[in-house]
Amino acid sequence: NAGVTQTPKFQVLKTGQSMTLQCAQDMNHNSMYWYRQDPGMGLRLIYYSASEGTTDKGEVPNGYNVSRLNKREFSLRLESAAPSQTSVYFCASSEAVPGFAGGLETQYFGPGTRLLVL
Amino acid sequence: LAKTTQPISMDSYEGQEVNITCSHNNIATNDYITWYQQFPSQGPRFIIQGYKTKVTNEVASLFIPADRKSSTLSLPRVSLSDTAVYYCLVGETDSGTYKYIFGTGTRLKVLA
Repeated sequence: NAGVTQTPKFQVLKTGQSMTLQCAQDMNHNSMYWYRQDPGMGLRLIYYSASEGTTDKGEVPNGYNVSRLNKREFSLRLESAAPSQTSVYFCASSEAVPGFAGGLETQYFGPGTRLLVL
Repeated sequence: LAKTTQPISMDSYEGQEVNITCSHNNIATNDYITWYQQFPSQGPRFIIQGYKTKVTNEVASLFIPADRKSSTLSLPRVSLSDTAVYYCLVGETDSGTYKYIFGTGTRLKVLA
């Protein structure tokens, strides 16, 4: 049981290049999330997926696209990378959908992907 | 969009009790309050969650007043290994869209 895995661990891009960050979870969770964390800052939600086939914008969605490929996998794509997107990206998953009253929204985080855009 | 606020940093000595407060004025009616711990170069890790009053587990207690506009994480008898950043997480609804808002984080340094 690996929990939440992310690939790659580290990536360097040039401005304008594109790339996809991969995330997979083996806990059979319904909901998945992408966050970014800038140096010395808290986490900011980019996108989330309440269930397979659905996605919703978070706090900072501009410049990103996501795909919920199946229940296990949730990818984040940068179509044209910019230096402002240099950050650490975390993927997370939870059993319950966001906003559901039941105390089951504990999120489990992956180890992160460090992205540097030059 | 209202945000959560926490003290930026706190120092404590080993063996002391540490209390970290988070303000969340626009918490959603059905939302729970969750606290996470983050060590350098790692993803956040769940500590405790609650809806109202007091919740206690093997590592911490969470105090939530009746109006739920704030919460206090209590760490009993901290050790050096508790040095980390602590975040509170609540959900907020903005124009019909549900958003998770992490607090600014409190950097706790435990001294010997």
